[in-house]
Amino acid sequence: DAKTTQPTSMDCAEGRAANLPCNHSTISGNEYVYWYRQIHSQGPQYIIHGLKNNETNEMASLIITEDRKSSTLILPHATLRDTAVYYCIVRVGDNDMRFGAGTRLTVKP
Amino acid sequence: EADIYQTPRYLVIGTGKKITLECSQTMGHDKMYWYQQDPGMELHLIHYSYGVNSTEKGDLSSESTVSRIRTEHFPLTLESARPSHTSQYLCASRGLGAGELFFGEGSRLTVL
Repeated sequence: DAKTTQPTSMDCAEGRAANLPCNHSTISGNEYVYWYRQIHSQGPQYIIHGLKNNETNEMASLIITEDRKSSTLILPHATLRDTAVYYCIVRVGDNDMRFGAGTRLTVKP
Repeated sequence: EADIYQTPRYLVIGTGKKITLECSQTMGHDKMYWYQQDPGMELHLIHYSYGVNSTEKGDLSSESTVSRIRTEHFPLTLESARPSHTSQYLCASRGLGAGELFFGEGSRLTVL
C-alpha cells in the first residue's frame, strides 16, 4: 500500500470549511483513498473513501486530484465536535488498514 | 452504530497477572483486528484474523496472543502482564472487499 503524508496539525475557525490535505504520490491504480478520524481516544470512525472520482456524504467531501497523487478532505462547516485526529490511508481494496500519525485538527470558537 | 463491543473498558491490574480483553461483533464480519495505541501516539496493528481458526501477527511485535474460535469473538490474552503493556487496545472488524473498518470503544489497560 502507498505511503501518505499529512500535516501534523491544523487549526480551523468554527463554522468555516476545514480542508485537510494528503499526499500519496506513489499511489497505484487500484488503491483507494480512505479517511478516518479519531476523537480523543475513542476508536477511529470511518468518514469517506474514493478511488478516483470526488465523493460526498453527510459528513464530508473527498476531492482527489486527476493524477491521484493527492487528495483533500473537506468538512464544509466545522464545529467544535470535529476536533480530532484525521487519518488519510491508501490501500488496495481488501488489504488491511494501517494508520499513520494523521493530522490533528483543532476547531476554534 | 457499529455493533462491535469490547470489555472491559478500563482495567488496572498488578504485574504478573493474566488478563483477557474481550471483543465481539454481531455483523458477521470475517476480518477482525487488534490495534495498540499509547496516548497521543499512532495506532499499531498487533494481531489480525481472516476467519475462524485464522490468526496472524501484525506489524508491531506484541507479547499478547489471540484466538478465533467463533466468527463473532476475537479475544486478546496477556499471560503475564507487565507495566510495559500499559496501553489502549482497540478491536476492529470489517467485511470483505473495500469495506469500512468498524472499531470498538477500546480497552484501556494499566499494569502497576
